[in-house]
Amino acid sequence: LAKTTQPISMDSYEGQEVNITCSHNNIATNDYITWYQQFPSQGPRFIIQGYKTKVTNEVASLFIPADRKSSTLSLPRVSLSDTAVYYCLVGDVDRDDKIIFGKGTRLHILP
Amino acid sequence: DADVTQTPRNRITKTGKRIMLECSQTKGHDRMYWYRQDPGLGLRLIYYSFDVKDINKGEISDGYSVSRQAQAKFSLSLESAIPNQTALYFCATSDRGQSGYGYTFGSGTRLTVV
Repeated sequence: LAKTTQPISMDSYEGQEVNITCSHNNIATNDYITWYQQFPSQGPRFIIQGYKTKVTNEVASLFIPADRKSSTLSLPRVSLSDTAVYYCLVGDVDRDDKIIFGKGTRLHILP
Repeated sequence: DADVTQTPRNRITKTGKRIMLECSQTKGHDRMYWYRQDPGLGLRLIYYSFDVKDINKGEISDGYSVSRQAQAKFSLSLESAIPNQTALYFCATSDRGQSGYGYTFGSGTRLTVV
């Protein structure tokens, strides 16, 4: 099972770009990398998913190097409302019962 | 209406009582899950179901049971609640897509056992 390691917390300022890196050294061939955002007392919300290289959507970008042993979630020009916990998940669609939500990264955006 | 609806949103119950948390979804997904979250921790999987006839234990199933009444409904029961089951409970669904997958979570049920 691909275990993930993320920073416990990060601080940044409004308007800055924030990059959160996740390590997953034993990622398997069929594993996808998915990031979720969670606000207090709410369920996690899907942000972005990728398999390799770069993926971009309207809220974030996901950078995955060729060896896929890490990934970086990039949030452009953050605002106070981006203060949340961000989870990096690695898993296979056929084994998603084994996907583990770690403690995530607590991102705090300052004015 | 929300894609994944959990009821109740908040519940206080006494030790030893039986309690059921309910989850319904309009996503049309086959897979449903129950997670538990304690303060400052990630989510831990309690039970999951890949279809109506398939129920599986997760990481922390002791003290819990589930019922998959239909594709859209998945309920979690605490047969005899104890204080250390006080937590935030989330139901989720997932879609096995052609290119990856994703979970859709409900808004959660905050359970307090006194």
